[in-house]
Amino acid sequence: DAGVTQSPTHLIKTRGQQVTLRCSPKSGHDTVSWYQQALGQGPQFIFQYYEEEERQRGNFPDRFSGHQFPNYSSELNVNALLLGDSALYLCASSLKQTSGASYEQYFGPGTRLTVT
Amino acid sequence: AQSVTQLGSHVSVSEGALVLLRCNYSSSVPPYLFWYVQYPNQGLQLLLKYTTGATLVKGINGFEAEFKKSETSFHLTKPSAHMSDAAEYFCAVSVQGAQKLVFGQGTRLTINP
Repeated sequence: DAGVTQSPTHLIKTRGQQVTLRCSPKSGHDTVSWYQQALGQGPQFIFQYYEEEERQRGNFPDRFSGHQFPNYSSELNVNALLLGDSALYLCASSLKQTSGASYEQYFGPGTRLTVT
Repeated sequence: AQSVTQLGSHVSVSEGALVLLRCNYSSSVPPYLFWYVQYPNQGLQLLLKYTTGATLVKGINGFEAEFKKSETSFHLTKPSAHMSDAAEYFCAVSVQGAQKLVFGQGTRLTINP
């Protein structure tokens, strides 16, 4: 049973460029969430996708956008990169419960983005 | 809004000693609480969770945590530390319907031989 996978594992970009990160959820999961983890910090919620729509969003600017595909995989796009966007980007998948809640989130290994 | 405070950014214990990692949360509605572990250059692995029911929850690798509503705490414990427990530990909170996790700053656990 494949867990959450992310690509690429590492990425180096220049300020002002755009980047796309990819995530495949755990088998059987239908919800994907993205988190940003700066060095020495806890992960911070960016947004969550379910049924190909953004359902909830954290305190991140519009430069951060995403997409979910019919097979439940997801992309995170960041435009006009800033030095402060350097971080580990984590994808987490979960299964929406009939109550509407998603309890356990399973995390991928992350993509390390460095902006120079 | 929910928040999490982890007391102690760095905890050091001897191998075989008790591990106690502290977590306090703030939530205006009944919370769901989680502990995750992160090994170097890896993602987060779920150790245990509390949603409803029994307030003492057991997780993987011998860890357990107790939900104390009156103290708004969810401390993580393990009776006897192993060298393999050295890692970063994160406490997180969510609420039903919120669909997102709010994490603490993390506690780095070091095990001394």
